[in-house]
Amino acid sequence: EVQLVESGGGLVQPGGSLRLSCAASGFSFTSYWMTWVRQAPGKGLEWVANIKEDGSEKDYVDSVKGRFTISRDNAKNSLYLQMNSLRAEDTAVYYCARDLHDGRYGTYYFDFWGQGTLVTVSS
Amino acid sequence: SYELSQPPSVSVSPGQTASITCSGDKLGDRYACWYQQKAGQSPVLVIYEDSRRPSGIPDRFSGSNSGNTATLTISGTQAMDEADYYCQAWDSSTYVFGTGTTVTVL
Repeated sequence: EVQLVESGGGLVQPGGSLRLSCAASGFSFTSYWMTWVRQAPGKGLEWVANIKEDGSEKDYVDSVKGRFTISRDNAKNSLYLQMNSLRAEDTAVYYCARDLHDGRYGTYYFDFWGQGTLVTVSS
Repeated sequence: SYELSQPPSVSVSPGQTASITCSGDKLGDRYACWYQQKAGQSPVLVIYEDSRRPSGIPDRFSGSNSGNTATLTISGTQAMDEADYYCQAWDSSTYVFGTGTTVTVL
């Protein structure tokens, strides 16, 4: 059974930092791209960042470029999101998801999601 | 930047058919997928590659994509289908989600 368990959320002041983690199990972690998606309270879904199987490629939504860093540790089956210079507009539930990313066929979607971790940026 | 638009809400009677549209420039030239998100829960993939259903998704869920519009159809809608639905596509290294549609089963 595929499982994705996020952790690391919490309350942080504007300008502060937070590191989210996602523990993966039930599948071959090294064979998949992974993604972070966020959802502000009462709002829709927004893709944040993704990372290739071996960590050699990463992409980010423009609003987090230069502030957030996605990474992975394949030995630990874990995905991370380092968030710096946090702003109030970063307040959201952050989900990690398995990313079916295949440029050869134009296939891009997320087939399994974690339960999410809430990040609140407020003074 | 690429944008996907959905109607804010759709209402349907139990047993009837609900259709949710997702509009974007030349959307039919790329794959679209759909997620269901029930209140307080994580999203669940219900349609990928325009019309394919993941294992475990009931066959009352179907999808199509042509021109500028992708459509998610729920046939024989049940009370358990009440949820928010989001379309999603990919454009220039960015995953784009639709604005979301709340389906209410009256």
